[in-house]
Amino acid sequence: DIVMTQSPLSLPVTPGEPASISCRSSQSLLQSNGYNYVDWYLQKPGQSPQLLIYTGSSRASGVPDRFSGSGSGTDFTLEISRVEAEDVGVYFCMQTLQTPLTFGGGTKVEI
Amino acid sequence: HVQLQQSGPGLMKPSQTLSLTCAISGDSVSSNSVAWSWVRQSPSRGLEWLGRTYYMSKWNTDYAVSVKSRITINPDTSKNQFSLQLNSVTPEDTAVYYCARWRHLEHYFDYWAQGTLVTVSS
Repeated sequence: DIVMTQSPLSLPVTPGEPASISCRSSQSLLQSNGYNYVDWYLQKPGQSPQLLIYTGSSRASGVPDRFSGSGSGTDFTLEISRVEAEDVGVYFCMQTLQTPLTFGGGTKVEI
Repeated sequence: HVQLQQSGPGLMKPSQTLSLTCAISGDSVSSNSVAWSWVRQSPSRGLEWLGRTYYMSKWNTDYAVSVKSRITINPDTSKNQFSLQLNSVTPEDTAVYYCARWRHLEHYFDYWAQGTLVTVSS
């Protein structure tokens, strides 16, 4: 199975300031088609996960442009350009290259 | 707009069979562009993909190795829903269980149900 490792575990943030979360996979998620098969999800308190970014850098419909995904191969980053209060929650990366789909352990973002 | 509505018991005893149903509205369980999946979440195991069912020329299922001997995911075309059965549960199966829609081409979960907390305790 592909292991996904996120850091940090917890991330205190200040509204208006940028924030960054890292995710590393145990094997390359880059396919020959040029896509990196990693998604990012946000789980707000008391809610189900919601999709933010897919194939490494594509923003899902309705996701604000302050969220961006980057990276390739085994190292990926989710960046929030200017954190807002509504961005608190737990962020997960997930590899979608192969089954079993596997998730990172999560990064808790709090103001 | 797709909606997924889960139902099933929240409290179980060890060795019993966990049964959850996910009713689909706004899409068809037989759609060939998506898969219907189960994911669980617990403090000890985090988010864990359990398996999926999908129709692509025929019905297919994929299961996580960790539960493969105990799990069954079935579509029900007459009711436009799909189900999860997990046999011989133990306290380690205590978790919030989610059903979710997976898009094959885009490789993401775009819709999730509200989740069901299942507690296994004697």
